[in-house]
Amino acid sequence: GAGVSQSPSNKVTEKGKDVELRCDPISGHTALYWYRQSLGQGLEFLIYFQGNSAPDKSGLPSDRFSAERTGGSVSTLTIQRTQQEDSAVYLCASRPGGSYNEQFFGPGTRLTVL
Amino acid sequence: DQQVKQNSPSLSVQEGRISILNCDYTNSMFDYFLWYKKYPAEGPTFLISISSIKDKNEDGRFTVFLNKSAKHLSLHIVPSQPGDSAVYFCAARGAGGTSYGKLTFGQGTILTVHP
Repeated sequence: GAGVSQSPSNKVTEKGKDVELRCDPISGHTALYWYRQSLGQGLEFLIYFQGNSAPDKSGLPSDRFSAERTGGSVSTLTIQRTQQEDSAVYLCASRPGGSYNEQFFGPGTRLTVL
Repeated sequence: DQQVKQNSPSLSVQEGRISILNCDYTNSMFDYFLWYKKYPAEGPTFLISISSIKDKNEDGRFTVFLNKSAKHLSLHIVPSQPGDSAVYFCAARGAGGTSYGKLTFGQGTILTVHP
């Protein structure tokens, strides 16, 4: 079946502009995560959606970052007033029900803020 | 505060030999550990995992060892193959509360297997 997909694959934007990154998880997966990987760094947790529960937003670096998940499926990560330090690869992952199941990652969106 | 650390940024191994990738963690509340493999321009893919109640898990050429007292885990690949060349991430899952299911990743180790 289809894996996690993300769009766009690459995004170049100017400092101060807003961007939206999209994630289509695997159908039926109840949990969805956003991570980012900055140059030379590991994956940094951003936000976690589990079913209808309130999302865990503890990893969002500032109030310029927000995410929503509509209908328990597609998710959008929005970065307002982008800064150069926001440049990174943004990865989305989904997980089926059951706490021990691994997360399945999408290919990521490479964001470059000029 | 880096709760999961992979202190070796890179590792170079000859084909057929053993690759050992190491990972240390500081949070004793982690209850599940995973290794992911990442090729350039792709998302990480799950490789192998281990529960905190075990000390070893084996899957083909891949074995993960967990030493809870030392808060250390390692991934052994034997024999190593050129196709194993990738970035390997260690990840740990928090137990309970709002961290449940969320993974904390290390910085990654670039493995290069030479033919």
